[in-house]
Amino acid sequence: AQKVTQAQTEISVVEKEDVTLDCVYETRDTTYYLFWYKQPPSGELVFLIRRNSFDEQNEISGRYSWNFQKSTSSFNFTITASQVVDSAVYFCALSGGGRGAQKLVFGQGTRLTINP
Amino acid sequence: NAGVTQTPKFQVLKTGQSMTLQCAQDMNHNSMYWYRQDPGMGLRLIYYSASEGTTDKGEVPNGYNVSRLNKREFSLRLESAAPSQTSVYFCASSEGWTVLTRPQHFGDGTRLSIL
Repeated sequence: AQKVTQAQTEISVVEKEDVTLDCVYETRDTTYYLFWYKQPPSGELVFLIRRNSFDEQNEISGRYSWNFQKSTSSFNFTITASQVVDSAVYFCALSGGGRGAQKLVFGQGTRLTINP
Repeated sequence: NAGVTQTPKFQVLKTGQSMTLQCAQDMNHNSMYWYRQDPGMGLRLIYYSASEGTTDKGEVPNGYNVSRLNKREFSLRLESAAPSQTSVYFCASSEGWTVLTRPQHFGDGTRLSIL
């Protein structure tokens, strides 16, 4: 069975601090895909990144960076110099290969609050 | 630029009433999905449709039925609503028959309360 765990239920930091959101996953598939989604207070889900299991390179997009480590089954998300607009619930998700690829399994989400 | 459109946005039902949540996408996506979001639970898949004419159960299908009316539309029906079905419901779609090729695009959600 596939499982995603986001152990941090809530995080609160002061603006301009760096913050890392943890994501640990479980899967028996050799091919799988990991995602991060952002849910701002308005409620919609916004896709941030997709990473496949064969690509362990870290990725940076502006203030956002992602660290994928297969050895620890982790796909962590770091926001550098956080801003109030980063306040949202962030979800990590996993899909497997083959038939399981049609389904996303989500973590419980981490509520991030950036205080001015 | 509508993307995925869900109706209604809010609904209050009494226990035992029936209701259909509507979802339509204008991106010519093959796959469509229904999720529910409960506090502290993340999103859980109810049903999905990998292509027009097919539907499959997700993690929490009990108490729900779905219809893939055509390529654009995927509806979710509660035949006899129960308080445990109070939740926020999200519809999503994705290109291709899997999530491998493209991420899922989500609607804005339907907030459903069962009294």
